[in-house]
Amino acid sequence: KAGVTQTPRYLIKTRGQQVTLSCSPISGHRSVSWYQQTPGQGLQFLFEYFSETQRNKGNFPGRFSGRQFSNSRSEMNVSTLELGDSALYLCASSSGQTTSMNTEAFFGQGTRLTVV
Amino acid sequence: KQEVTQIPAALSVPEGENLVLNCSFTDSAIYNLQWFRQDPGKGLTSLLLIQSSQREQTSGRLNASLDKSSGRSTLYIAASQPGDSATYLCAVRQRAGGTSYGKLTFGQGTILTVHP
Repeated sequence: KAGVTQTPRYLIKTRGQQVTLSCSPISGHRSVSWYQQTPGQGLQFLFEYFSETQRNKGNFPGRFSGRQFSNSRSEMNVSTLELGDSALYLCASSSGQTTSMNTEAFFGQGTRLTVV
Repeated sequence: KQEVTQIPAALSVPEGENLVLNCSFTDSAIYNLQWFRQDPGKGLTSLLLIQSSQREQTSGRLNASLDKSSGRSTLYIAASQPGDSATYLCAVRQRAGGTSYGKLTFGQGTILTVHP
């Protein structure tokens, strides 16, 4: 069974640009969550999508947005990039059913974003 | 607000030692707790998932325990090997109502180095 796939693996962007990251969850999983990992802040929750709806959102500015498609693939967009957005962006896949929240989260390899 | 703390922040041991990593959380209303391993620059690999109703889980040389009432979990690694060197992260999935579905709250991690 294929794991969680994130593309691209590496990105270099300049300040002010925008970027789109992609995440394909494990087949059958309907929940995709996004996290930002930095040396100073650790892993911070960005948002979660379930069945094409944003179900939960962390404390990030509106420049960070996402969406989920009918096949459960998700994209995350960051507009007007700042130097501080440089981080490893990870997505996690799980079944997401509210009646079975005791399910395991599986992570992708991440996208390393560098803003220069 | 859920807070997760991991102790120690770093640990260096000789090969063959048994070791214990600690994780504590402030809100016991959780669905589950998950231990992950992260190699430098890579994504998270799930090691063990403990449901809120369970006391422990075992996989190979790894054993994780959970004491939900006291807000503590430990990860026990037996007969450590240099290949175990990585950052170990614990994360809890909050049980609180509506807005917390899918969100994992992470500790800052324990950096483990096992030297030959």
